[in-house]
Amino acid sequence: DQQVKQNSPSLSVQEGRISILNCDYTNSMFDYFLWYKKYPAEGPTFLISISSIKDKNEDGRFTVFLNKSAKHLSLHIVPSQPGDSAVYFCAARSSRGAQKLVFGQGTRLTINP
Amino acid sequence: DSGVTQTPKHLITATGQRVTLRCSPRSGDLSVYWYQQSLDQGLQFLIQYYNGEERAKGNILERFSAQQFPDLHSELNLSSLELGDSALYFCASSVGLAGNSYEQYFGPGTRLTVT
Repeated sequence: DQQVKQNSPSLSVQEGRISILNCDYTNSMFDYFLWYKKYPAEGPTFLISISSIKDKNEDGRFTVFLNKSAKHLSLHIVPSQPGDSAVYFCAARSSRGAQKLVFGQGTRLTINP
Repeated sequence: DSGVTQTPKHLITATGQRVTLRCSPRSGDLSVYWYQQSLDQGLQFLIQYYNGEERAKGNILERFSAQQFPDLHSELNLSSLELGDSALYFCASSVGLAGNSYEQYFGPGTRLTVT
């Protein structure tokens, strides 16, 4: 039962262009969404989050968009930089009950010079 | 550096053995979470502790157990190990339970290899 799905296992983008990573979820109880970035041999690093009461949150080059009706969120990185090459995980949680994060499978982003 | 520490970084052991993974949360964080990441898999939630008490359980096997001590560090015990238990085990911590702003901060992980 994959409640959070990242359907693109990999994405390749040219340096300076926009990277768009997508995530879909099925559980209507999710009300908080997060993006994590992971380099090899390191733990996931928190990147940006969004509450279900918002539809957009921006932090520097990173913007997360939430479409509740479509149960879809996306992470935009602009401009993309070589250091952005990593695996990106989408995660979701519900403020009710367990505080666990439910993660997607991840998307490997490669920024080409 | 997230402030969450995990030891050991790597662990190689044989089937049937028992191991203990250790996690120290960020200073001030009361919640500790354990996650498992198998090859080509996303992170799977195992268990959560808050201030010494178990708060939530995920897909944690009966062979696995955890605890959080009064100094808030946590240990994950894996017993009767099988080849399929080989994975990365991550610990994460957060400030508390309620609210929408308690992001979880992850440690570097322990890579367990069962041979």
